[in-house]
Amino acid sequence: DAMVIQNPRYQVTQFGKPVTLSCSQTLNHNVMYWYQQKSSQAPKLLFHYYDKDFNNEADTPDNFQSRRPNTSFCFLDIRSPGLGDAAMYLCATTLNGTSGRYEQFFGPGTRLTVL
Amino acid sequence: SQQGEEDPQALSIQEGENATMNCSYKTSINNLQWYRQNSGRGLVHLILIRSNEREKHSGRLRVTLDTSKKSSSLLITASRAADTASYFCATVPSGTYKYIFGTGTRLKVLA
Repeated sequence: DAMVIQNPRYQVTQFGKPVTLSCSQTLNHNVMYWYQQKSSQAPKLLFHYYDKDFNNEADTPDNFQSRRPNTSFCFLDIRSPGLGDAAMYLCATTLNGTSGRYEQFFGPGTRLTVL
Repeated sequence: SQQGEEDPQALSIQEGENATMNCSYKTSINNLQWYRQNSGRGLVHLILIRSNEREKHSGRLRVTLDTSKKSSSLLITASRAADTASYFCATVPSGTYKYIFGTGTRLKVLA
């Protein structure tokens, strides 16, 4: 089945130790998104790729970076995680993306714990 | 913030009852979507309503959209315990492909 896969599902890191979360998709969607979701809150958009074009949200911390080496894969790098970065990180994809006419498909998420 | 708001924040009902949740948003939109999230999981798309539509049905779901009031409602009829989840509306502001999520409604359906 076509899907969005996130690895790992659970990630534990130490304060200040870089961590990379990965997302892959078999849907061949051209738009990919990374969201941060804290407990009982709405998903907060960090950045997205429209094809290879990277779009950063104005309030995304500099600590967060992303790479999209090809259509299928997207990575979220947290350079120096702080305690406040502990959250669920969700990857999502959509097709075409022009004017957002289509639904988003979400991965199961990676829960990040910072010790 | 562009974030939409939903109410109620939490809703507890008995199985078989209907559940209604509301979403308000701030910008002109192309469409509005509703998603469900089970605890600790990713979001699942439920239904999409375009800006030129006023009502849409899908199974036990009924969505309305009032663009003049910048609001939408999701009705789940004959609720089941399996409907227990958080529900989020998401809007796509005109001219963008960003999804802005509402604050969410936590629904609990008691068996």
